[in-house]
Amino acid sequence: AQKITQTQPGMFVQEKEAVTLDCTYDTSDQSYGLFWYKQPSSGEMIFLIYQGSYDEQNATEGRYSLNFQKARKSANLVISASQLGDSAMYFCAMREMMDSSYKLIFGSGTRLLVRP
Amino acid sequence: NAGVTQTPKFQVLKTGQSMTLQCAQDMNHNSMYWYRQDPGMGLRLIYYSASEGTTDKGEVPNGYNVSRLNKREFSLRLESAAPSQTSVYFCASNPTRGGNQPQHFGDGTRLSIL
Repeated sequence: AQKITQTQPGMFVQEKEAVTLDCTYDTSDQSYGLFWYKQPSSGEMIFLIYQGSYDEQNATEGRYSLNFQKARKSANLVISASQLGDSAMYFCAMREMMDSSYKLIFGSGTRLLVRP
Repeated sequence: NAGVTQTPKFQVLKTGQSMTLQCAQDMNHNSMYWYRQDPGMGLRLIYYSASEGTTDKGEVPNGYNVSRLNKREFSLRLESAAPSQTSVYFCASNPTRGGNQPQHFGDGTRLSIL
């Protein structure tokens, strides 16, 4: 069965510094995808970034980048130049294909607090 | 540009009451999902609908039923609410079978069962 592990329940980072949020995964599939979502205190789920298992380059979206290490089965999220608005829960999720759709398997999340 | 809309946003029920959570998306997406989020945990899939006219069980379907009313709407029903169903419920959708398309989430329904 597919599994996502986020080992950091909570993290602090100083404003303007970079921070790495860890995510490891377990799957026997050759083709898979990994997503990161942000959940601020208001509760909504905001999509940040996606990495496919066959993508040759690490994904980047603005200040977000994904450090994808396939052999180690890790897909860590890097946030550069942290801002106060980055304080939130962050979830790593893996795609599990179903008949004509897919579901997401979520990790337990990391709560990030950005200090001014 | 509403995206995925869930109603209600908050609800308190007594044990044994029934309730339907509503979800509608205006993005012409084929697939729709219901997840629940319990404290300290990630989201878990309750039911999904890969396309209009089909529904299937997810990881935690017991105590729930769903209806894909049309392409836009996907409802979740609790027939006899139990305290263990106290949770935040999220509806989500995505456009195609392509697994690189992110799921878009509604803002959630916070449900308390007393």
